[in-house]
Amino acid sequence: DAKTTQPPSMDCAEGRAANLPCNHSTISGNEYVYWYRQIHSQGPQYIIHGLKNNETNEMASLIITEDRKSSTLILPHATLRDTAVYYCIVNAYGGSQGNLIFGKGTKLSVKP
Amino acid sequence: NAGVMQNPRHLVRRRGQEARLRCSPMKGHSHVYWYRQLPEEGLKFMVYLQKENIIDESGMPKERFSAEFPKEGPSILRIQQVVRGDSAAYFCASSLAGTGVYEQYFGPGTRLTVT
Repeated sequence: DAKTTQPPSMDCAEGRAANLPCNHSTISGNEYVYWYRQIHSQGPQYIIHGLKNNETNEMASLIITEDRKSSTLILPHATLRDTAVYYCIVNAYGGSQGNLIFGKGTKLSVKP
Repeated sequence: NAGVMQNPRHLVRRRGQEARLRCSPMKGHSHVYWYRQLPEEGLKFMVYLQKENIIDESGMPKERFSAEFPKEGPSILRIQQVVRGDSAAYFCASSLAGTGVYEQYFGPGTRLTVT
């Protein structure tokens, strides 16, 4: 089972920031928070990941709370092409277990 | 910089035939993962391989399914005696090293249809 909880769906107006929350209250000290998205039926796309500190790249920003029990993915200026299912995943570093556990994710609909 | 490549993109097989799905990881990546997505469902992990080794096959069905990642060439997911329930999208991902710090990059998938 997924170790994360996300809202099933969200809407966002085009050009506005999309803030996608994720709860991971049982996260362990050696687990990273990853975000992926799947646009329609394409292969999942890596977005960003972090351990403790906030992270930013060309796609998004990741804000992790100080207790690491929740995080927020921010798409600063959402476009119609950002409509997708967004997955928040926790995954341990250094283990032999390689799998990412995909939950149901949040279906983000960006509307004009 | 080529991404993860999978072929074929679409595969149709009759019940009882064999399906072979190929995955070429990103250049420099030596870790490969296979996932399956049934219609209207989420992605489920199947198997994690390094060159010539299966590291974790906890998600692989016990019968009819096998995977390999030889020293040379692509990773192969083989499904013997396919049944209608095997119809799904099969995604391959690769990473630079063991997962955790290193993100996985996914291919476009192979859509298997069993008739």
